[in-house]
Amino acid sequence: KAGVTQTPRYLIKTRGQQVTLSCSPISGHRSVSWYQQTPGQGLQFLFEYFSETQRNKGNFPGRFSGRQFSNSRSEMNVSTLELGDSALYLCASSLTRDGQFFGPGTRLTVL
Amino acid sequence: GEDVEQSLFLSVREGDSSVINCTYTDSSSTYLYWYKQEPGAGLQLLTYIFSNMDMKQDQRLTVLLNKKDKHLSLRIADTQTGDSAIYFCAVSGAGSYQLTFGKGTKLSVIP
Repeated sequence: KAGVTQTPRYLIKTRGQQVTLSCSPISGHRSVSWYQQTPGQGLQFLFEYFSETQRNKGNFPGRFSGRQFSNSRSEMNVSTLELGDSALYLCASSLTRDGQFFGPGTRLTVL
Repeated sequence: GEDVEQSLFLSVREGDSSVINCTYTDSSSTYLYWYKQEPGAGLQLLTYIFSNMDMKQDQRLTVLLNKKDKHLSLRIADTQTGDSAIYFCAVSGAGSYQLTFGKGTKLSVIP
């Protein structure tokens, strides 16, 4: 069974731009969560989607948004990029609470 | 909110056992997980324990949970150089898929 895939793997943007990251979950998994990983703050929860509905949201500004499609694929969008948004963005999918399975991440660099 | 603490570094000799510790604050945490992250990679789910269990063993891994002290540990038997990585403790509350992570423990295995 294929794992979680994330595209693109690397991205360089400049301040003020917007970016869209994509995540394809493991087949059959309907829950998709997004996390931001930075050296300073560690791993922080962004949001979780289940059956196209946002079930939970972390403490991030409104510039961070996401959505989930009927095939469970998910996208997250960051508008008006700031230097501090440079991070590894990780997507995780799960079938049950026995475990969330993470993708390799998208490394975003904001210049 | 939930807080999860881990020591930042651990160094062991190849063949010895490693014990990585984690404490958490929310007594309603129901699922507790251990993840491994190698350089440039996403998070690999190693194991999990449900809050009504005290111990779980999976090949070289043993997880111990002390609910009274809100303390979780991961023991790796016969540690190998391939075990060198950052290990994250994560917890989730009742009915939630949101994970709260510790800052990670960097395990260095000396040949």
